[in-house]
Amino acid sequence: GAGVSQSPSNKVTEKGKDVELRCDPISGHTALYWYRQSLGQGLEFLIYFQGNSAPDKSGLPSDRFSAERTGGSVSTLTIQRTQQEDSAVYLCASSLDGLPLANYGYTFGSGTRLTVV
Amino acid sequence: AQSVAQPEDQVNVAEGNPLTVKCTYSVSGNPYLFWYVQYPNRGLQFLLKYITGDNLVKGSYGFEAEFNKSQTSFHLKKPSALVSDSALYFCAVRDPTDSNYQLIWGAGTKLIIKP
Repeated sequence: GAGVSQSPSNKVTEKGKDVELRCDPISGHTALYWYRQSLGQGLEFLIYFQGNSAPDKSGLPSDRFSAERTGGSVSTLTIQRTQQEDSAVYLCASSLDGLPLANYGYTFGSGTRLTVV
Repeated sequence: AQSVAQPEDQVNVAEGNPLTVKCTYSVSGNPYLFWYVQYPNRGLQFLLKYITGDNLVKGSYGFEAEFNKSQTSFHLKKPSALVSDSALYFCAVRDPTDSNYQLIWGAGTKLIIKP
């Protein structure tokens, strides 16, 4: 598609349940990022995929969080045993990173608003 | 270490007045600089970027930003603010010599334009 697509747009889940968030990046974009944004706050980096390289997981807040990217395209962010503090908007972005001239910005999806009750 | 600072959590401007949202950065090489905007309940949108060339960069919605190497700044400006400009603005920087291609983000500045 023309943009980065995220689903679902909204998710309400009970504490302790697992959730999966999906990101479909722009075709051909080699880099994919997951960020978390709490209400009215800045961006918290979670994880970065670049091509076939091992992902940069340095931003994942706990071992309840994991992500995978299949075939260099679609990515799934999984949160196990959700907690109330996981409530946030989860943003996915893709980019043409990795090129000799890394002068491209990111294209963001609209995000998934996760509410843990 | 690379970093971006947006010193103001919030900026209040009257409609029709000029606005400035400040951004300073710290990178070891020549920076690539970006501004993004997030309207309420919307995703982040790219506004403008500086890569090389003219220090004054023009972007979407009438915004512009000036790269000042000596002051390591990339302030966002608009000559006449609109109420619809009210949003959260993020500055970001990338050092193209760094093999880590990630953007480094500022904490964001909430811009409120009052009628």
